[in-house]
Amino acid sequence: TQLLEQSPQFLSIQEGENLTVYCNSSSVFSSLQWYRQEPGEGPVLLVTVVTGGEVKKLKRLTFQFGDARKDSSLHITAAQPGDTGLYLCAGSNSGYALNFGKGTSLLVTP
Amino acid sequence: EAGVAQSPRYKIIEKRQSVAFWCNPISGHATLYWYQQILGQGPKLLIQFQNNGVVDDSQLPKDRFSAERLKGVDSTLKIQPAKLEDSAVYLCASSLITGTQYFGPGTRLLVL
Repeated sequence: TQLLEQSPQFLSIQEGENLTVYCNSSSVFSSLQWYRQEPGEGPVLLVTVVTGGEVKKLKRLTFQFGDARKDSSLHITAAQPGDTGLYLCAGSNSGYALNFGKGTSLLVTP
Repeated sequence: EAGVAQSPRYKIIEKRQSVAFWCNPISGHATLYWYQQILGQGPKLLIQFQNNGVVDDSQLPKDRFSAERLKGVDSTLKIQPAKLEDSAVYLCASSLITGTQYFGPGTRLLVL
């Protein structure tokens, strides 16, 4: 099993602040996904990155895949209470199931 | 389009009892996954099916866990007998042969 380390594990910020979440591995992945999971629900896909150095934007969320395809980051600008949830990164290698990190639990207070 | 359906949503049992979970994937999705998510951790794959064949069950504790997908559509996951450490959320996901996985809401199991 290829391990993915996420940091920080917990993050509590106020509305309007910026934050970055990191996902690191010693292994190379063909693709990396970011999911958000809300209490009582399954994970929902936010983005998939496949190319080293790739940057994708989803409204206030910016995702970056490392050049060596071993690490990734998620940056949220001007966080809102609706961003609260568990952010999970997951790596995969073509056709195989996802290897998930432990997640970053984010709380955004008004 | 209907999503992945799972039932029951919650289950409380005593240790050494048996329990079964059901999953109906998105129509047309050939691949079905069962994950276990223990509190404070990310999901861990238990078993992956493609149609009705097993692709990967290397992390399935086969002495107590079993899963089947007889007609290549819906699937059941069984635990017999349950242990305290089996308390977790059991997530089912489906995808086309490969590609984006769509998750169901999960079944929350508490073993007392």
